[in-house]
Amino acid sequence: GDSVTQMEGPVTLSEEAFLTINCTYTATGYPSLFWYVQYPGEGLQLLLKATKADDKGSNKGFEATYRKETTSFHLEKGSVQVSDSAVYFCALLQSGGYQKVTFGTGTKLQVIP
Amino acid sequence: DGGITQSPKYLFRKEGQNVTLSCEQNLNHDAMYWYRQDPGQGLRLIYYSQIVNDFQKGDIAEGYSVSREKKESFPLTVTSAQKNPTAFYLCASNEDRANTGELFFGEGSRLTVL
Repeated sequence: GDSVTQMEGPVTLSEEAFLTINCTYTATGYPSLFWYVQYPGEGLQLLLKATKADDKGSNKGFEATYRKETTSFHLEKGSVQVSDSAVYFCALLQSGGYQKVTFGTGTKLQVIP
Repeated sequence: DGGITQSPKYLFRKEGQNVTLSCEQNLNHDAMYWYRQDPGQGLRLIYYSQIVNDFQKGDIAEGYSVSREKKESFPLTVTSAQKNPTAFYLCASNEDRANTGELFFGEGSRLTVL
């Protein structure tokens, strides 16, 4: 079945450092890809999405590009802030049939001043 | 403000008791979902409903039950048959019956079995 693999955390960065969180996927067909963010004690929020190959999703300084050739959707940010500390989930939406969202296990990011 | 409200935020249960978690949305969304979140395992789908009076089992439905009598409400009952119920439970909705992947989540309910 479809699956999402994320780099294990926690990831600890200093403020203003460059962030990359790796995400690769296995899916049949052409899934849509998403990044969700979960702040402490809260539910998840959609951060960005991409629906087809070579699409770049972006929001709040975060970016991710849908790479079909490498089945990847890595999350990047040029300069992280303390307020970016959260758990980040990569997810995919299956194409065809009932479209279920499959989530990765999450990567915890801690940004220190 | 539109959104999803889950209650209670924290709940303690003795073994052998059923508990019901509430999920209400005022977004006028068609589809609603229940996920379970455990450390290191991401989110797993328990049940979903695409329309009133209809719902489907997700990946880990055993020991849980749901109802969808109203569009805005999708309560989850954790029964005594659920062997390991301690977890963080998240309710979500989607505007379309055909899942677009853009899910709106509540703030979650943390259930602890004593």
